[in-house]
Parts: sequence; structure tokens; C-alpha cells
Amino acid sequence: DTAVSQTPKYLVTQMGNDKSIKCEQNLGHDTMYWYKQDSKKFLKIMFSYNNKELIINETVPNRFSPKSPDKAHLNLHINSLELGDSAVYFCASSPLGTLSSYEQYFGPGTRLTVT
Amino acid sequence: AQSVTQLGSHVSVSEGALVLLRCNYSSSVPPYLFWYVQYPNQGLQLLLKYTSAATLVKGINGFEAEFKKSETSFHLTKPSAHMSDAAEYFCAVSEGQAGTALIFGKGTTLSVSS
Repeated sequence: DTAVSQTPKYLVTQMGNDKSIKCEQNLGHDTMYWYKQDSKKFLKIMFSYNNKELIINETVPNRFSPKSPDKAHLNLHINSLELGDSAVYFCASSPLGTLSSYEQYFGPGTRLTVT
Repeated sequence: AQSVTQLGSHVSVSEGALVLLRCNYSSSVPPYLFWYVQYPNQGLQLLLKYTSAATLVKGINGFEAEFKKSETSFHLTKPSAHMSDAAEYFCAVSEGQAGTALIFGKGTTLSVSS
């Protein structure tokens, strides 16, 4: 009965590789997000999608490409991984149309380590 | 542009003592404010939220926060700390439009000693 799930939980890879992180929500929400938490625990938005359409695309290297096959899934693909990409990546979702749409529900995070 | 400042990156209290975590915000529109808690190696869990209704907001685990527009503050309190409250706490602001990003503060680590 997990609300927002991410796979994998841990990802260790070498520089230059390409990797993907998957996110799924079973809450019926319309909007999904990717946040990055750096080594100092600072959280910053990367992308958001509403019903499979890109809403927010912050200043993120174009090596990062989100893909939303349907409104329950938002995957993050990263090309040519660099050391600075090491972080914890969180997926989140929120509903539309109600006051509750202002809050976001977070997944457990994916810890990416680039060596 | 919106921003959040959390005063004190680390707060230490004794078990049973008052918990006070400070958050000040900046917003050009009426803000929507949130406190999230992150336990080690876990995701973020919503503690409470202010969405322009009552200014004193009660959340889970005995936490509450008061929205003070004149002070642009949204401080988090708990009357009596418990060991299980030790975690990272994040204050966040949103413009309140569905689908917009949360802007987070840098977080405050709460330590609770016995």
C-alpha cells in the first residue's frame, strides 16, 4: 500500500555511465516532481509534470531527462554521470483541485553515488 | 521570489523539554507553509501545513506551528520532546498553485538527549 515508491533505493555507478530512477505513485495524483537533496541536505526542485506534461524545468543539466509514460509514473534518466550528481533524489506527487493539492507526498528517495 | 530561512542548523533539547524550531519566509503572494520531517535514510513526511485557514496549526506527533504574518514567521513547537523526535526538520513555502514547487529551508537537525 506504498503511496509513492522509487526504485532503486541505492544506486552506485561509475562516471560516464547512464542510469535511470523510477517513480510510481498509487494515490491518483495528477502532478509529480523530482527533487535533489545534496550532501548538505538542501532540497531543490528539478522537474514537475502535470498529467504527463512538463511544468517546471529548473536549471538542470540536459543530461537529466524526465519521462512520464502516464500520470502515475515519472522516471528520471541521467546520461554521462558525473561525480557532482551524487545525491539523494526524491520523487513526490500532489493532487489537483483541492486545498490538499498544495502539499506534496514524498517517496523514500534514491541515493545515487557516482565513483 | 519566495524563500525560507531556518534559524539554527542544529537544535539540542533534553527529553521532556520544549522544542522550538524557527522558520521565517519571504513571499510576494499569500504563502502556503509546511513543515516536513525526515528521519535518517527516509523520505519526507508532512508534519503540518498552513493554507490560509487557522493561523495556529496542529500537526502529527504533538507538533504545532503558528503563522504570524507581521513577523513573516512559521515556527514549529512541541511542548515536550521525545527521543523519537530526533530528526531533520524542513520548513517549506509554496505559492499555493497546484503543481508549483516547494521551496525548502536548509533544515534543522533536532537532537534529543535523555
